[in-house]
Amino acid sequence: AQSVTQLDSHVSVSEGTPVLLRCNYSSSYSPSLFWYVQHPNKGLQLLLKYTSAATLVKGINGFEAEFKKSETSFHLTKPSAHMSDAAEYFCVVKGYSSASKIIFGSGTRLSIRP
Amino acid sequence: DGGITQSPKYLFRKEGQNVTLSCEQNLNHDAMYWYRQDPGQGLRLIYYSQIVNDFQKGDIAEGYSVSREKKESFPLTVTSAQKNPTAFYLCASSTGDRIYYGYTFGSGTRLTVV
Repeated sequence: AQSVTQLDSHVSVSEGTPVLLRCNYSSSYSPSLFWYVQHPNKGLQLLLKYTSAATLVKGINGFEAEFKKSETSFHLTKPSAHMSDAAEYFCVVKGYSSASKIIFGSGTRLSIRP
Repeated sequence: DGGITQSPKYLFRKEGQNVTLSCEQNLNHDAMYWYRQDPGQGLRLIYYSQIVNDFQKGDIAEGYSVSREKKESFPLTVTSAQKNPTAFYLCASSTGDRIYYGYTFGSGTRLTVV
């Protein structure tokens, strides 16, 4: 069975400083991993995905994430935060088989200080 | 442009009423999903459909019903049996391929019981 844990419910950084949103997963086989972003009262937008290709995945808006199998982690990073990055971020895991469920983390709210 | 349209954006329901949330997609996706989002929580799966005229219960299907008469449409009815319907409802779609490439989400419907 799969599970996903977002280690921080809220992260606050200053504009221009690095962002780190942490995600750990559990999966019996090679999972697919995703990060989504949700702005207030909006749907979710796919930021990036890992599907067993390169372990360092680049996404939109300067975000990237690294799949680390030994640490069962898929942390989301960005070198320099922008005010427009303030949103809720969800880490998502799906197992290898087509019958595997898609599991959403509980979300991390990112705040950006001017 | 292809995408998912949810309507209405805001919906108010009186106690004991059934209400229907609309979800339409023009992406030619086979699979469609309904999720419920409560404050500070991740997404919980209500129902999903992988093909026309077929759908399965998700994790929290009680008090909800769906239909899938057309590929493009997957309406969700919140019945009076749902005791706590106030939430943000998100519709999503994806290709039906075995390899999962991620969802496309609608912009959501916020349902409030008055």
